[in-house]
Amino acid sequence: NAGVTQNPKFQVLKTGQSMTLQCAQDMNHNSMYWYRQDPGMGLRLIYYSASEGTTDKGEVPNGYNVSRLNKREFSLRLESAAPSQTSVYFCAILVWGTEAFFGQGTRLTVV
Amino acid sequence: DQQVKQNSPSLSVQEGRISILNCDYTNSMFDYFLWYKKYPAEGPTFLISISSIKDKNEDGRFTVFLNKSAKHLSLHIVPSQPGDSAVYFCAAIKNAGNMLTFGGGTRLMVKP
Repeated sequence: NAGVTQNPKFQVLKTGQSMTLQCAQDMNHNSMYWYRQDPGMGLRLIYYSASEGTTDKGEVPNGYNVSRLNKREFSLRLESAAPSQTSVYFCAILVWGTEAFFGQGTRLTVV
Repeated sequence: DQQVKQNSPSLSVQEGRISILNCDYTNSMFDYFLWYKKYPAEGPTFLISISSIKDKNEDGRFTVFLNKSAKHLSLHIVPSQPGDSAVYFCAAIKNAGNMLTFGGGTRLMVKP
C-alpha cells in the first residue's frame, strides 16, 4: 500500500529471540499505529504514536516495545518472542483524523 | 470486551445478488465508522465511511447504513462481484486522531 512500508515481510523466530519490525511512511502524517491480526480477533491495536516523540499503549501492549524515531519511522520490538506472538503485524498511519492506511504486513512465526 | 463486533465470520453470496455485512458496537462515544476490505497477503484498504451524524452513505455499489439507536451498522454491496471476495472489517473511532477499533472481520465469498 502506497506510503507505508514494512520490513521484513516474513520472519521466523525461536522462542526467546528478539527482533524489531520496521515501519516507515512517506505521507508526512503524525499518527502511526501497530496492529496485530489474528483469526477471529480482527485487528487489535498494540501501540500507537500520535506524534514524534510520543507513544501510547493500545489494547494488547504486553511483550512489545515501540520507538518513534522520527516523523517517518515507527518500530515495534519484541524483546523475547513467545509463540503467542505468532501473528500478522500491520503498521498504519491515520490521515484526516479518521482513515487509516496500512502497510502490507509482516507475517511472524514464533516456534 | 470487544467494543466492535462482527457476528458473522463468513458469508457466501451469488454473483449479482446483494451482500449485507453487519457490525455492532457498544461504545456510544464512537463518532465515525469505517469499512475496510482485505485480500490475502495484503494490508487492509479503506472502502467507505460514515459519520455518526448521518444514517447512510453511498459510493457506487457500496452503501453503509448506520442505526445509532441500535448501535448497528451494515455494509451493502449491490451487485456483488467475484472480485469482492475478501475479508471485510468494520472499524470505529472516537475523536478524530484517536485510535481505530476493529471488529473481528467477515469473510465474504461471491460465487460466479
